Amino acid sequence: SQQGEEDPQALSIQEGENATMNCSYKTSINNLQWYRQNSGRGLVHLILIRSNEREKHSGRLRVTLDTSKKSSSLLITASRAADTASYFCATDGGQFYFGTGTSLTVIP
Amino acid sequence: DAGVIQSPRHEVTEMGQEVTLRCKPISGHNSLFWYRQTMMRGLELLIYFNNNVPIDDSGMPEDRFSAKMPNASFSTLKIQPSEPRDSAVYFCASSRTSYYNEQFFGPGTRLTVL
Repeated sequence: SQQGEEDPQALSIQEGENATMNCSYKTSINNLQWYRQNSGRGLVHLILIRSNEREKHSGRLRVTLDTSKKSSSLLITASRAADTASYFCATDGGQFYFGTGTSLTVIP
Repeated sequence: DAGVIQSPRHEVTEMGQEVTLRCKPISGHNSLFWYRQTMMRGLELLIYFNNNVPIDDSGMPEDRFSAKMPNASFSTLKIQPSEPRDSAVYFCASSRTSYYNEQFFGPGTRLTVL
């Protein structure tokens, strides 16, 4: 089974609102990564958080990691229409897995 | 830098035919990955090369799939014979060291097997 499961599967918000996506995984990890995929394109790396980190920021992105709960969240603040995409977490516990993804729609 | 290059971008073939997908990683990257993406199964890692050597091929679905990396700048994924259930988007990605670090993805090859 896949290592990462994400929720919600789909999220629709108004431009300017914040979007939060969650990722849960099953085994111990070294790092957790978040990627974005625009429709019909390859994935683009957003941010990497190491297992000994709890929070990381990059521009409008904020990632948290709770290794005790085996979960991570990605927060996009002040969303824009251009943020419309699918977002995937990826974990490296033994093997490398991508999660099931969250489809985000930002309505202008 | 041109990024990861994949060819062809689209491939339509008939069941039973051989299909070869090609990938040129970013120069200087030591690791290369082949992924398959479908609606049903999501994004699956098929095989991972490091310094041209296959490290993990546990994701390769069956013997019909094979992958090679003859040098640091080229890799192929071959399906022989192809089946309709192989229809998917196949991505190649590369990274400087391993999957512990940022991966750079190519645009993908959309394969349709009729």
